[in-house]
Amino acid sequence: DARVTQTPRHKVTEMGQEVTMRCQPILGHNTVFWYRQTMMQGLELLAYFRNRAPLDDSGMPKDRFSAEMPDATLATLKIQPSEPRDSAVYFCASGLLTTGGYGNTIYFGEGSWLTVV
Amino acid sequence: GEDVEQSLFLSVREGDSSVINCTYTDSSSTYLYWYKQEPGAGLQLLTYIFSNMDMKQDQRLTVLLNKKDKHLSLRIADTQTGDSAIYFCAESIGDYKLSFGAGTTVTVRA
Repeated sequence: DARVTQTPRHKVTEMGQEVTMRCQPILGHNTVFWYRQTMMQGLELLAYFRNRAPLDDSGMPKDRFSAEMPDATLATLKIQPSEPRDSAVYFCASGLLTTGGYGNTIYFGEGSWLTVV
Repeated sequence: GEDVEQSLFLSVREGDSSVINCTYTDSSSTYLYWYKQEPGAGLQLLTYIFSNMDMKQDQRLTVLLNKKDKHLSLRIADTQTGDSAIYFCAESIGDYKLSFGAGTTVTVRA
């Protein structure tokens, strides 16, 4: 059963520390997304990649957040330095863009639950 | 613009039908989606509908799309306690972005 895998599932860290979240997309999917979920803002798109190239990271605070895809099986989201306002659930999702249109299924991981104290 | 709106709460009796409503703003949306999120879990894709369709049925789920009014609904027949969750409506924007509503918390009471 193919699934998007995220690590860590839960992370508590102190303000100022670096946090790295990892995602393994579904094999064969060519698009990877990072979303952040908070009570106040709901689900926000932070960044997404197609064929490992970053397409849009306009939703991401540039000064402290960075997203990369070192290879097709790994996407990372890094926060340095972390702040209490970064506390949220970070979801990775992947999908397949088909020629001529929109890939019609996007699958989410279980999320990384981050608490910055 | 990118603005998806849903009512925040729905309470339904077990065995009844649930109807969750959603309005969206981007008339060029290609696909519209319903996702389900259970406590402590990720978002599970429930169903989706292509914008040139009016209705899609999948077992207990029925999706209705009124493109003129930009209105999407999800009907769950014979609602069960396991259907208690947050349901998110989402529209596709441009090439890939999904714009989500705030989610409707569905509570199923015995």
